[in-house]
Amino acid sequence: GAVVSQHPSRVICKSGTSVKIECRSLDFQATTMFWYRQFPKKSLMLMATSNEGSKATYEQGVEKDKFLINHASLTLSTLTVTSAHPEDSSFYICSAGLAGKYEQYFGPGTRLTVT
Amino acid sequence: GEDVEQSLFLSVREGDSSVINCTYTDSSSTYLYWYKQEPGAGLQLLTYIFSNMDMKQDQRLTVLLNKKDKHLSLRIADTQTGDSAIYFCAESPTTSGTYKYIFGTGTRLKVLA
Repeated sequence: GAVVSQHPSRVICKSGTSVKIECRSLDFQATTMFWYRQFPKKSLMLMATSNEGSKATYEQGVEKDKFLINHASLTLSTLTVTSAHPEDSSFYICSAGLAGKYEQYFGPGTRLTVT
Repeated sequence: GEDVEQSLFLSVREGDSSVINCTYTDSSSTYLYWYKQEPGAGLQLLTYIFSNMDMKQDQRLTVLLNKKDKHLSLRIADTQTGDSAIYFCAESPTTSGTYKYIFGTGTRLKVLA
């Protein structure tokens, strides 16, 4: 149980285009989803926390207009990187949590490369 | 601050024990976690410990928690080549109000055959 999927697993896009990453909880309803970014050989940095049906809460230094997060249902959250640039290339990982529970369940990650 | 510190590298011989250390900052964290990440992959939860425990053992894994010093360690007994990966500790401060995780810097474990 508690499986989280991400799609796509790998994407290459041209500079200036937008790309959407999906995060789905497959066998449970996730009241909260988290988006992380991981630079090569670095730790995971929390970008934002999203609760179903409400606006995401972004961490300090994360541009909310660049990284659009939508949590439209209890099983789906999306991260859209708008007007992507090469410096946005990174490994993006989502996680999902249940109300009142500390544990998060992580997706397999999406590697974004912007050329 | 919210820095969770780990040593960057650890190299051990196959069959030896590995000990990965972590120093966290927020004493309000109710749970502390250890995750494993293999190259190009997501995070795999290895184990976690509740803050009122000093030790937790799960097969080859032993977690020690020293709340006074805010120190957490993960011991892997009989380390195998398949254990080579990056290991992250994470805390979940209750003061954040959102159950968010703060990850450590990660320790790259290399197991020599």
